[in-house]
Amino acid sequence: DSGVTQTPKHLITATGQRVTLRCSPRSGDLSVYWYQQSLDQGLQFLIQYYNGEERAKGNILERFSAQQFPDLHSELNLSSLELGDSALYFCASSVGPDRDAFFGQGTRLTVV
Amino acid sequence: GESVGLHLPTLSVQEGDNSIINCAYSNSASDYFIWYKQESGKGPQFIIDIRSNMDKRQGQRVTVLLNKTVKHLSLQIAATQPGDSAVYFCAETLDNYGQNFVFGPGTRLSVLP
Repeated sequence: DSGVTQTPKHLITATGQRVTLRCSPRSGDLSVYWYQQSLDQGLQFLIQYYNGEERAKGNILERFSAQQFPDLHSELNLSSLELGDSALYFCASSVGPDRDAFFGQGTRLTVV
Repeated sequence: GESVGLHLPTLSVQEGDNSIINCAYSNSASDYFIWYKQESGKGPQFIIDIRSNMDKRQGQRVTVLLNKTVKHLSLQIAATQPGDSAVYFCAETLDNYGQNFVFGPGTRLSVLP
């Protein structure tokens, strides 16, 4: 158990809908990262927050957004969902922005 | 559990042998690298890291080698065990201050009894 908690574990939704994925980082970790992993692709970095502020942005679509709250938990919002958005979404956390990250178990999103 | 990377390159080794997993990274400016292990149905798990000012780093049963000249990273696992069966990803960071990692496609390690 990495200490990073993601909910829900599984999510099935229809195209065009909006969903919110939640991440609780390890106690004491200030950085939160979101990654997308498709079945036939590696891990794609989406976005990073550090202590509530956006730190780095990767291949995140405009339909996606994220935020980190004062209690350091983070949410990833995915809207206008398309079939191609079906993937595993991982959250990771670390103490600081330049330290190795611990990953959660992921949320499996299926868009039908 | 979920199958990650259905069409990944696969390395099959006998239990007890040493494994070498290779990775070519993309950016010569990258200065921090990590190897992650991902078992079926789980998130990636940190194995070992190395900074660009080093050529080699050893952990428990694992060694990472970095060749900056050819932008190559390798992970050596000594005395491979069945529990080592997983997908292994290398990751490089392009950002000194953040963790905007770029992950490689992964290699599936299969340990044969």
